[in-house]
Amino acid sequence: KQEVTQIPAALSVPEGENLVLNCSFTDSAIYNLQWFRQDPGKGLTSLLLIQSSQREQTSGRLNASLDKSSGRSTLYIAASQPGDSATYLCAVNQAGTALIFGKGTTLSVSS
Amino acid sequence: NAGVTQTPKFQVLKTGQSMTLQCAQDMNHNSMYWYRQDPGMGLRLIYYSASEGTTDKGEVPNGYNVSRLNKREFSLRLESAAPSQTSVYFCASSEAGGAGIYGYTFGSGTRLTVV
Repeated sequence: KQEVTQIPAALSVPEGENLVLNCSFTDSAIYNLQWFRQDPGKGLTSLLLIQSSQREQTSGRLNASLDKSSGRSTLYIAASQPGDSATYLCAVNQAGTALIFGKGTTLSVSS
Repeated sequence: NAGVTQTPKFQVLKTGQSMTLQCAQDMNHNSMYWYRQDPGMGLRLIYYSASEGTTDKGEVPNGYNVSRLNKREFSLRLESAAPSQTSVYFCASSEAGGAGIYGYTFGSGTRLTVV
């Protein structure tokens, strides 16, 4: 059974810092991996989607990498801002089921 | 750009009452999903519909039923609500197939409290 783990569960950083969020999964037979952002009391906003054949995807200050063989993905946020404060969720997609989520990393960026 | 629309946004039920959560998508996606989100548990799949006319159980289907009414709509029904079903419910959709090039789009959620 696929399990997705996100470390750390919570992270506090000062504004301007570069940071890395980690995601690991136990079964490497995935179609893709998706990173989401969730603000308190809100829905999920898709940030980046990495297909299993890809190594990384970039959008603005965000860069996500995927190492399928080792079961790891990282989300790199450059020059963090208070507006980046949210919970970041990692999810993997594989055959015969739907997206399987980690429990998230709650990020707080202080000004 | 509506995407995935869920109704209602908030609901309070008494134990034993029934209700249906509605979800509609306007992206012509084949697959639709229902998740629940609980503190400390993350998002867990309740049911999904890979294509119109099919539904399958997810990780936590007990106490729920679903209907894929047509390609656009996928509803979740609680026949006899219990306090353990207090949660935030999210509907999502995606295009099927394509060897993993498609992601999921989520609705804004329904916050359900059962008292």
